[in-house]
Amino acid sequence: DGGITQSPKYLFRKEGQNVTLSCEQNLNHDAMYWYRQDPGQGLRLIYYSQIVNDFQKGDIAEGYSVSREKKESFPLTVTSAQKNPTAFYLCASSILIGGGAKGEQFFGPGTRLTVL
Amino acid sequence: AQSVTQLDSQVPVFEEAPVELRCNYSSSVSVYLFWYVQYPNQGLQLLLKYLSGSTLVESINGFEAEFNKSQTSFHLRKPSVHISDTAEYFCAVHSSYKLIFGSGTRLLVRP
Repeated sequence: DGGITQSPKYLFRKEGQNVTLSCEQNLNHDAMYWYRQDPGQGLRLIYYSQIVNDFQKGDIAEGYSVSREKKESFPLTVTSAQKNPTAFYLCASSILIGGGAKGEQFFGPGTRLTVL
Repeated sequence: AQSVTQLDSQVPVFEEAPVELRCNYSSSVSVYLFWYVQYPNQGLQLLLKYLSGSTLVESINGFEAEFNKSQTSFHLRKPSVHISDTAEYFCAVHSSYKLIFGSGTRLLVRP
């Protein structure tokens, strides 16, 4: 079955530690995205990537880093510089506009990160 | 820059009653609009989308939304809700290779 997987589902971190969230897709999509979700604030874009080895900052990139070494994978690292990292993190992917999908994104099940 | 406004943070409704979740977007030359649904502790699922053509779009589970260009709205409606429709609903507009989301509306269906 095609889809997006995120792991782990729940993650606990001590203050001052970096942590990496996994996102893998087998939909052959070019573009991938990371969002952060907090109660009452909807989804906010952290980073996105349209092609391998290239990515752009979203609206709240400070304290986060990403890599895109493979088309299928887009891991997100939450660094110790992120002041308030406790949140629900969602990964998504899409075909680029030229592929005809007109921006529709497919989402993974999410990772809930809690800083202790 | 594009923006999306969902005026209602929470909408309580009784089972089998009709419901409307409101969504307004900032104007743009071409607009691609989406409604997503999120159940607790899950990712977002696409409910329906407007890309072009008929301004009324429907989902397989009875929801519909109407694109209104003059009012820059894309309200979501269902004539009769079920308990299982309880979830959070997000409206989104496509803008420069990414989606801009509204803040979400929590639909609470009561028996």
